[in-house]
Amino acid sequence: QKEVEQDPGPLSVPEGAIVSLNCTYSNSAFQYFMWYRQYSRKGPELLMYTYSSGNKEDGRFTAQVDKSSKYISLFIRDSQPSDSATYLCATMNRDDKIIFGKGTRLHILP
Amino acid sequence: EPEVTQTPSHQVTQMGQEVILRCVPISNHLYFYWYRQILGQKVEFLVSFYNNEISEKSEIFDDQFSVERPDGSNFTLKIRSTKLEDSAMYFCATLRGPGSSYNSPLHFGNGTRLTVT
Repeated sequence: QKEVEQDPGPLSVPEGAIVSLNCTYSNSAFQYFMWYRQYSRKGPELLMYTYSSGNKEDGRFTAQVDKSSKYISLFIRDSQPSDSATYLCATMNRDDKIIFGKGTRLHILP
Repeated sequence: EPEVTQTPSHQVTQMGQEVILRCVPISNHLYFYWYRQILGQKVEFLVSFYNNEISEKSEIFDDQFSVERPDGSNFTLKIRSTKLEDSAMYFCATLRGPGSSYNSPLHFGNGTRLTVT
Protein backbone atom coordinates (compact mmCIF):
# COMPACT_ATOMS: atom_id res chain seq x y z
CA GLN A 1 0.00 0.00 0.00
CA LYS A 2 1.35 3.41 -0.98
CA GLU A 3 2.04 5.71 1.95
CA VAL A 4 0.19 8.70 0.54
CA GLU A 5 -2.43 8.38 -2.17
CA GLN A 6 -3.79 11.25 -4.20
CA ASP A 7 -5.94 11.41 -7.31
CA PRO A 8 -3.77 13.00 -10.03
CA GLY A 9 -6.71 14.68 -11.77
CA PRO A 10 -6.80 16.90 -13.71
CA LEU A 11 -9.59 18.69 -11.90
CA SER A 12 -11.26 21.58 -13.75
CA VAL A 13 -13.61 23.97 -11.97
CA PRO A 14 -15.07 27.37 -12.90
CA GLU A 15 -13.67 30.51 -11.31
CA GLY A 16 -15.32 31.28 -7.99
CA ALA A 17 -16.18 27.68 -7.19
CA ILE A 18 -15.11 25.85 -4.04
CA VAL A 19 -12.36 23.33 -4.71
CA SER A 20 -11.94 20.18 -2.65
CA LEU A 21 -8.65 18.27 -2.88
CA ASN A 22 -8.14 15.03 -0.97
CA CYS A 23 -5.54 12.49 0.04
CA THR A 24 -5.40 9.34 2.10
CA TYR A 25 -2.42 8.00 3.99
CA SER A 26 -1.60 4.60 5.36
CA ASN A 27 0.58 5.07 8.45
CA SER A 28 -1.31 6.07 11.57
CA ALA A 29 1.97 7.28 13.12
CA PHE A 30 2.12 10.28 10.78
CA GLN A 31 1.44 13.44 12.75
CA TYR A 32 2.26 16.37 10.48
CA PHE A 33 0.35 17.05 7.31
CA MET A 34 1.11 19.56 4.64
CA TRP A 35 -0.17 20.90 1.36
CA TYR A 36 2.28 22.16 -1.22
CA ARG A 37 1.48 24.03 -4.41
CA GLN A 38 3.66 23.53 -7.46
CA TYR A 39 3.50 25.71 -10.53
CA SER A 40 4.91 24.45 -13.79
CA ARG A 41 8.73 24.34 -13.80
CA LYS A 42 8.90 25.48 -10.18
CA GLY A 43 9.66 23.77 -6.90
CA PRO A 44 6.91 22.90 -4.42
CA GLU A 45 5.82 25.81 -2.22
CA LEU A 46 4.36 25.20 1.22
CA LEU A 47 0.75 26.34 1.47
CA MET A 48 -0.55 24.94 4.73
CA TYR A 49 0.54 22.59 7.47
CA THR A 50 -1.41 21.03 10.31
CA TYR A 51 -0.63 18.85 13.25
CA SER A 52 -2.92 15.94 14.07
CA SER A 53 -6.67 16.10 13.49
CA GLY A 54 -8.67 19.23 12.94
CA ASN A 55 -9.02 22.23 10.68
CA LYS A 56 -6.73 25.11 9.90
CA GLU A 57 -7.79 28.14 7.91
CA ASP A 58 -5.63 30.68 6.10
CA GLY A 59 -7.46 33.13 3.91
CA ARG A 60 -9.27 31.24 1.16
CA PHE A 61 -7.58 27.97 2.12
CA THR A 62 -8.71 25.44 4.72
CA ALA A 63 -6.77 22.30 5.54
CA GLN A 64 -8.55 19.45 7.27
CA VAL A 65 -7.19 16.26 8.78
CA ASP A 66 -9.26 13.31 9.93
CA LYS A 67 -6.88 10.87 11.60
CA SER A 68 -9.61 8.32 12.29
CA SER A 69 -10.08 7.79 8.57
CA LYS A 70 -6.52 8.84 7.56
CA TYR A 71 -7.97 11.48 5.26
CA ILE A 72 -6.49 14.87 4.40
CA SER A 73 -8.37 17.63 2.61
CA LEU A 74 -7.65 21.08 1.23
CA PHE A 75 -10.52 23.43 0.42
CA ILE A 76 -10.09 26.53 -1.71
CA ARG A 77 -12.87 29.09 -1.57
CA ASP A 78 -13.57 31.65 -4.29
CA SER A 79 -11.09 29.92 -6.59
CA GLN A 80 -9.06 32.10 -8.95
CA PRO A 81 -7.29 31.32 -12.23
CA SER A 82 -4.00 31.94 -10.38
CA ASP A 83 -4.83 28.92 -8.20
CA SER A 84 -4.26 26.70 -11.23
CA ALA A 85 -1.33 24.49 -10.25
CA THR A 86 -0.51 21.02 -8.98
CA TYR A 87 -1.35 20.52 -5.32
CA LEU A 88 0.72 18.01 -3.39
CA CYS A 89 -0.36 16.60 -0.08
CA ALA A 90 2.42 15.43 2.19
CA THR A 91 2.99 13.89 5.55
CA MET A 92 6.07 13.72 7.67
CA ASN A 93 7.42 10.86 9.70
CA ARG A 94 9.26 11.15 12.99
CA ASP A 95 12.59 11.42 11.17
CA ASP A 96 11.51 14.60 9.36
CA LYS A 97 11.28 12.83 6.02
CA ILE A 98 8.46 14.31 3.99
CA ILE A 99 6.46 11.87 1.92
CA PHE A 100 4.47 13.34 -0.95
CA GLY A 101 1.37 12.27 -2.76
CA LYS A 102 1.47 12.23 -6.52
CA GLY A 103 -0.21 15.64 -6.78
CA THR A 104 -3.53 16.77 -8.23
CA ARG A 105 -3.49 19.08 -11.25
CA LEU A 106 -6.05 21.81 -10.79
CA HIS A 107 -7.37 24.08 -13.55
CA ILE A 108 -9.52 27.06 -12.66
CA LEU A 109 -11.49 28.11 -15.72
CA PRO A 110 -12.04 31.89 -16.10
CA GLU B 1 12.20 36.33 1.11
CA PRO B 2 15.30 34.10 1.18
CA GLU B 3 15.40 31.44 -1.50
CA VAL B 4 17.05 28.13 -2.17
CA THR B 5 19.02 28.51 -5.39
CA GLN B 6 19.77 25.61 -7.70
CA THR B 7 22.12 25.47 -10.68
CA PRO B 8 22.01 24.68 -13.48
CA SER B 9 18.32 24.94 -14.28
CA HIS B 10 18.72 22.37 -17.04
CA GLN B 11 21.49 19.84 -17.57
CA VAL B 12 21.78 17.54 -20.56
CA THR B 13 24.28 14.72 -20.32
CA GLN B 14 25.13 11.48 -22.04
CA MET B 15 24.56 8.14 -20.39
CA GLY B 16 27.53 7.11 -18.29
CA GLN B 17 28.72 10.66 -17.64
CA GLU B 18 29.05 12.21 -14.20
CA VAL B 19 26.89 15.17 -13.24
CA ILE B 20 26.98 17.50 -10.27
CA LEU B 21 23.89 19.42 -9.29
CA ARG B 22 24.38 22.42 -7.05
CA CYS B 23 22.26 24.04 -4.40
CA VAL B 24 22.80 27.13 -2.30
CA PRO B 25 20.69 26.73 0.84
CA ILE B 26 19.08 29.53 2.79
CA SER B 27 21.84 30.88 5.00
CA ASN B 28 20.61 29.92 8.48
CA HIS B 29 19.23 26.53 7.46
CA LEU B 30 20.84 23.42 8.88
CA TYR B 31 19.06 20.49 7.25
CA PHE B 32 19.39 19.74 3.56
CA TYR B 33 17.51 17.39 1.30
CA TRP B 34 17.43 16.18 -2.27
CA TYR B 35 14.20 15.11 -3.87
CA ARG B 36 13.54 13.82 -7.36
CA GLN B 37 10.47 14.09 -9.58
CA ILE B 38 10.30 12.00 -12.71
CA LEU B 39 7.99 13.56 -15.29
CA GLY B 40 4.39 12.86 -14.32
CA GLN B 41 5.38 11.09 -11.13
CA LYS B 42 5.45 12.04 -7.46
CA VAL B 43 8.17 13.97 -5.69
CA GLU B 44 10.42 11.30 -4.17
CA PHE B 45 12.80 11.61 -1.26
CA LEU B 46 16.43 10.83 -2.05
CA VAL B 47 18.55 11.88 0.90
CA SER B 48 18.76 14.10 3.95
CA PHE B 49 21.95 15.70 5.22
CA TYR B 50 22.73 17.31 8.55
CA ASN B 51 25.94 18.24 10.31
CA ASN B 52 28.02 17.22 7.30
CA GLU B 53 26.71 13.71 7.08
CA ILE B 54 23.84 11.78 5.57
CA SER B 55 21.06 11.29 8.10
CA GLU B 56 18.75 9.21 5.92
CA LYS B 57 18.64 7.95 2.35
CA SER B 58 16.09 6.16 0.23
CA GLU B 59 16.45 3.03 -1.87
CA ILE B 60 16.88 5.25 -4.92
CA PHE B 61 20.05 6.74 -3.44
CA ASP B 62 22.42 3.94 -4.38
CA ASP B 63 26.21 3.92 -4.76
CA GLN B 64 25.98 6.04 -7.89
CA PHE B 65 24.77 8.99 -5.83
CA SER B 66 26.69 11.09 -3.34
CA VAL B 67 26.17 14.38 -1.55
CA GLU B 68 28.52 16.81 0.06
CA ARG B 69 28.83 20.36 1.28
CA PRO B 70 32.43 21.06 0.31
CA ASP B 71 32.74 24.73 1.15
CA GLY B 72 30.08 25.30 3.78
CA SER B 73 27.75 26.98 1.31
CA ASN B 74 27.03 24.82 -1.74
CA PHE B 75 25.24 21.53 -1.21
CA THR B 76 25.85 19.19 -4.12
CA LEU B 77 24.36 16.00 -5.50
CA LYS B 78 26.68 13.94 -7.68
CA ILE B 79 25.60 11.13 -9.96
CA ARG B 80 28.69 9.19 -10.98
CA SER B 81 27.51 7.33 -14.04
CA THR B 82 24.16 8.57 -15.24
CA LYS B 83 21.50 6.25 -16.60
CA LEU B 84 18.55 7.07 -18.81
CA GLU B 85 16.21 6.55 -15.87
CA ASP B 86 17.98 9.28 -13.91
CA SER B 87 16.25 11.85 -16.15
CA ALA B 88 14.08 13.87 -13.78
CA MET B 89 13.70 17.16 -11.96
CA TYR B 90 15.96 17.25 -8.93
CA PHE B 91 14.89 19.52 -6.12
CA CYS B 92 17.03 20.70 -3.27
CA ALA B 93 15.18 21.58 -0.08
CA THR B 94 16.38 23.09 3.15
CA LEU B 95 15.01 23.35 6.64
CA ARG B 96 15.98 25.66 9.46
CA GLY B 97 15.35 22.94 12.02
CA PRO B 98 15.86 21.31 14.36
CA GLY B 99 13.00 18.90 14.54
CA SER B 100 9.87 18.99 12.47
CA SER B 101 8.97 21.36 9.70
CA TYR B 102 5.88 22.32 11.68
CA ASN B 103 7.55 25.48 12.86
CA SER B 104 10.07 25.90 10.06
CA PRO B 105 8.72 24.86 6.68
CA LEU B 106 10.79 22.97 4.15
CA HIS B 107 11.87 25.40 1.41
CA PHE B 108 12.38 24.06 -2.09
CA GLY B 109 14.51 25.38 -4.88
CA ASN B 110 13.14 25.55 -8.42
CA GLY B 111 14.93 22.40 -9.42
CA THR B 112 17.42 21.20 -12.00
CA ARG B 113 15.98 19.37 -14.95
CA LEU B 114 18.38 16.53 -15.78
CA THR B 115 18.09 14.93 -19.18
CA VAL B 116 20.19 11.84 -19.84
CA THR B 117 20.49 10.86 -23.50
